[in-house]
Amino acid sequence: GAVVSQHPSRVICKSGTSVKIECRSLDFQATTMFWYRQFPKQSLMLMATSNEGSKATYEQGVEKDKFLINHASLTLSTLTVTSAHPEDSSFYICSARVTGGRAYEQYFGPGTRLTVT
Amino acid sequence: SQQGEEDPQALSIQEGENATMNCSYKTSINNLQWYRQNSGRGLVHLILIRSNEREKHSGRLRVTLDTSKKSSSLLITASRAADTASYFCAPGRDDKIIFGKGTRLHILP
Repeated sequence: GAVVSQHPSRVICKSGTSVKIECRSLDFQATTMFWYRQFPKQSLMLMATSNEGSKATYEQGVEKDKFLINHASLTLSTLTVTSAHPEDSSFYICSARVTGGRAYEQYFGPGTRLTVT
Repeated sequence: SQQGEEDPQALSIQEGENATMNCSYKTSINNLQWYRQNSGRGLVHLILIRSNEREKHSGRLRVTLDTSKKSSSLLITASRAADTASYFCAPGRDDKIIFGKGTRLHILP
């Protein structure tokens, strides 16, 4: 149980285009999901907290207009990287918190590797 | 901040030896979790220790927590090649999990 999937697992796009990454909780409901990005050999940096039916909360320094988050259902959150540039190339990981669960009950997806050429 | 700081940043040991990595943090916490990440993969939750616990075991893993020193340690006994990964601690207090830079563990054959 408690499986989180991400799609796609890898994506290559051209500079200037937009890319959408999906995060799904497969066997539980998740009112809250989180998006992280990770550069090679570095830590995971929390980008934003995604809440179902409301606007996402972005961490300081993260451009909300560039990283659009939509949490339209209790099992799906999407991250759209708009007008992607090579510096956006990174590993993006989501996590989902069980609805009604403790704050630490988060389950992580396998990640999406984005390469912008 | 709530972020944990792992030490050492990198560790190489021979297969079969024990590996110890440490985590320090600055704020009060309710719990602390340890995660493993294999290269280029997602995170695997290893263990959670609550603030009122001092030690916890799970298989070959032993975690300690000293809230007075604001520190935790993760011990992996009888290391295996498959233990090669990055390990992150996550001190928990509120809604967010903030990761430190991690310890990169390399098990030598």
